[in-house]
Amino acid sequence: EAGVAQSPRYKIIEKRQSVAFWCNPISGHATLYWYQQILGQGPKLLIQFQNNGVVDDSQLPKDRFSAERLKGVDSTLKIQPAKLEDSAVYLCASSSVFRGSSGANVLTFGAGSRLTVL
Amino acid sequence: QKEVEQNSGPLSVPEGAIASLNCTYSDRGSQSFFWYRQYSGKSPELIMFIYSNGDKEDGRFTAQLNKASQYVSLLIRDSQPSDSATYLCAVNYGGSQGNLIFGKGTKLSVKP
Repeated sequence: EAGVAQSPRYKIIEKRQSVAFWCNPISGHATLYWYQQILGQGPKLLIQFQNNGVVDDSQLPKDRFSAERLKGVDSTLKIQPAKLEDSAVYLCASSSVFRGSSGANVLTFGAGSRLTVL
Repeated sequence: QKEVEQNSGPLSVPEGAIASLNCTYSDRGSQSFFWYRQYSGKSPELIMFIYSNGDKEDGRFTAQLNKASQYVSLLIRDSQPSDSATYLCAVNYGGSQGNLIFGKGTKLSVKP
């Protein structure tokens, strides 16, 4: 099966500019996640969608970050205006529930979008 | 605050040795536990997951879970230089709707 697609792979912007990242999950995966991974740290969840509804956006900086998942498939993550501390890799992941378990979500990650804010 | 703790390393082992990676978590409600491997500049890839106490083996990898101690580990037998990567421990707190909370990762270096 095709994996999780993300674009662009790399983006360099000046602070206070805006940027958008796109993600296409694995076909049939209802759950989509956006994670932020700062260099040297583990991924941190920004937002989780179930189909086109938001399940968890408690760690999304809503004054500058927004995300949508139209029609329950593709998703876009936007940052406006960007700050220096937003420099990170933005990872999109999708999952289907593993049957027979306690409901463990097995996440598959895309290649990521590396953002540098100057 | 739900937390996942890992020793950041680096952990250095000789080729052919057993590498032992450890992880602790803060919430007793945690349901399932994952190990991801991340090569430098790449995205995380799943190695294995475990949700029952005890051991789970997959090839050279063994995950161990002790819920009473809130501890999960990953053993890599016959370590190879290609195993050199950062290993991320992740915990699912919320069942089928739950997302994964990741530790900071342990960097493993396997020396030829």
